[in-house]
Amino acid sequence: RKEVEQDPGPFNVPEGATVAFNCTYSNSASQSFFWYRQDCRKEPKLLMSVYSSGNEDGRFTAQLNRASQYISLLIRDSKLSDSATYLCVVNGARDTGFQKLVFGTGTRLLVSP
Amino acid sequence: DTAVSQTPKYLVTQMGNDKSIKCEQNLGHDTMYWYKQDSKKFLKIMFSYNNKELIINETVPNRFSPKSPDKAHLNLHINSLELGDSAVYFCASSVRGFGGTEAFFGQGTRLTVV
Repeated sequence: RKEVEQDPGPFNVPEGATVAFNCTYSNSASQSFFWYRQDCRKEPKLLMSVYSSGNEDGRFTAQLNRASQYISLLIRDSKLSDSATYLCVVNGARDTGFQKLVFGTGTRLLVSP
Repeated sequence: DTAVSQTPKYLVTQMGNDKSIKCEQNLGHDTMYWYKQDSKKFLKIMFSYNNKELIINETVPNRFSPKSPDKAHLNLHINSLELGDSAVYFCASSVRGFGGTEAFFGQGTRLTVV
């Protein structure tokens, strides 16, 4: 079983739609969680951290369910510029300050006019 | 004033050759990483260094040898290149922080072994 699993997509949505991505992780000792975004032929960049209480940043909402080892990302009012691959990332290291970021395979989002 | 910079951006070489990829970060971070992204776009950690000390070595063939001359630099040397080494290699850095911290990635080095 992969450490971090995501549906690879692609998710094809029209502008203005709401879309949700899910991710599951296998290591119950994981301490921290993130969503990264990767544009085609570019490097990954942090989109947002994911907190146990859930957090929101503009049109983006992230949720964490530790009991189910499940992370989600909700994008409201999709823009063309949201087209990218969204990577679910888990810090698999013990909380020593040394992190081992484990990436999912990513979910591709295509937003069309 | 690029935060994490890698060179070269593209590298095409023949099987059996030895090549190096250089990485430098000007963010003052203590921790640096090498990741490999294969043709299926799966991003997998190879090595992690903290202040020049090897922290993570993810069962990478010993043809791959990282070297960190100082905490701002982490180079990757690859001996006897094989076709399967073709991938995009990303360098990254982060502060050492409890609870997980943002990793900043370089632009990647696209290695093609022919």
